[in-house]
Amino acid sequence: KAGVTQTPRYLIKTRGQQVTLSCSPISGHRSVSWYQQTPGQGLQFLFEYFSETQRNKGNFPGRFSGRQFSNSRSEMNVSTLELGDSALYLCASSIRPGQENTEAFFGQGTRLTVV
Amino acid sequence: GQQVMQIPQYQHVQEGEDFTTYCNSSTTLSNIQWYKQRPGGHPVFLIQLVKSGEVKKQKRLTFQFGEAKKNSSLHITATQTTDVGTYFCAGRPSGTYKYIFGTGTRLKVLA
Repeated sequence: KAGVTQTPRYLIKTRGQQVTLSCSPISGHRSVSWYQQTPGQGLQFLFEYFSETQRNKGNFPGRFSGRQFSNSRSEMNVSTLELGDSALYLCASSIRPGQENTEAFFGQGTRLTVV
Repeated sequence: GQQVMQIPQYQHVQEGEDFTTYCNSSTTLSNIQWYKQRPGGHPVFLIQLVKSGEVKKQKRLTFQFGEAKKNSSLHITATQTTDVGTYFCAGRPSGTYKYIFGTGTRLKVLA
């Protein structure tokens, strides 16, 4: 079956702009989590969605937001981009959120560069 | 806040040597997962540990979950160049639904 698909793969934006990233989970998976990966901070949890509802949120400013659609596809939005937002944004899907025996499948990520 | 620390941050080994990475949580975990990320790739699930003191093996990889369910380790015996990458642990604090990733250990294997 198809894996997790993230689009676009690469993105260059200027400071102050906003950006929307997309994630299509594996068919049948209803939980989608987003992570920010930077060389210095590792994998930082952004938020998790299940059945169109945000269930968990990490410690990121309100400029970072997301949503999930009825087909489980998810988008995350970053407004008023800052240079420090440059990172690899990873999406992970799982059947259910965070329970036993629920592994996460990661997409290839979107590499965002803010200039 | 809840934290998962992972050491060492980097490890260079000669091919054939053993390698171990350790994961320590500030709180008790319901379960812990391990992932491997190859250079330029994305994290790939390796294994999940749930029970206190649990030990699981996958060929040359041995995973342990501490008795107190606050720490874990991944040991690779006789490393190979294919083991290169960053190994992450991800712990789920008891009573929560989210996973906290460790900072990762980047392994380089010298042929």
